Amino acid sequence: GAGVSQSPSNKVTEKGKDVELRCDPISGHTALYWYRQRLGQGLEFLIYFQGNSAPDKSGLPSDRFSAERTGESVSTLTIQRTQQEDSAVYLCASTLPLVRGYGEQFFGPGTRLTVL
Amino acid sequence: GQNIDQPTEMTATEGAIVQINCTYQTSGFNGLFWYQQHAGEAPTFLSYNVLDGLEEKGRFSSFLSRSKGYSYLLLKELQMKDSASYLCAVRDWQAGTALIFGKGTTLSVSS
Repeated sequence: GAGVSQSPSNKVTEKGKDVELRCDPISGHTALYWYRQRLGQGLEFLIYFQGNSAPDKSGLPSDRFSAERTGESVSTLTIQRTQQEDSAVYLCASTLPLVRGYGEQFFGPGTRLTVL
Repeated sequence: GQNIDQPTEMTATEGAIVQINCTYQTSGFNGLFWYQQHAGEAPTFLSYNVLDGLEEKGRFSSFLSRSKGYSYLLLKELQMKDSASYLCAVRDWQAGTALIFGKGTTLSVSS
């Protein structure tokens, strides 16, 4: 597609429910990142996928968070047993390989998650 | 560890010039990015610096001094549409290739 797309754009859920967020990166972008942005805060790195390598999960805040990516396509971020503190905008970004540029990240529009 | 500081808020008037500063501390610096983020929208890429000096792109310029751990974004001929949050982000090889973002500077441009 022309840009990174994410779905849903908004998600309201009850505390304790599981949610699944989806990201479609730009075609040909081998790297994919998930970030979280709480209201009035900067972007917080969550997880990074590069091709078929093992993902960098160092930013995941707890074991309730997990993510998958199939090859170089769609990624899903799953949050289990959601808590109110999980309310934030979840942003996905993708990049070309560094050998083809300096790796600027192209962001999707985000999913605004509200946990009641 | 990594630390990125930038002012929380700035105000300016249309037609003016504004400089948004960013200081950083990283162990494996490998590039600094500036992004613009309008309220409720995704960040969009503005500039990239990896070597010392000034990079100019139209009304926007970005400067880097690696020895000082310092960068600034310069916006000239300000327009109302420049009202947004400006995010400074650093790539640190010690932390993989994910970007480490500052909290952003909210710029308000008035007429």
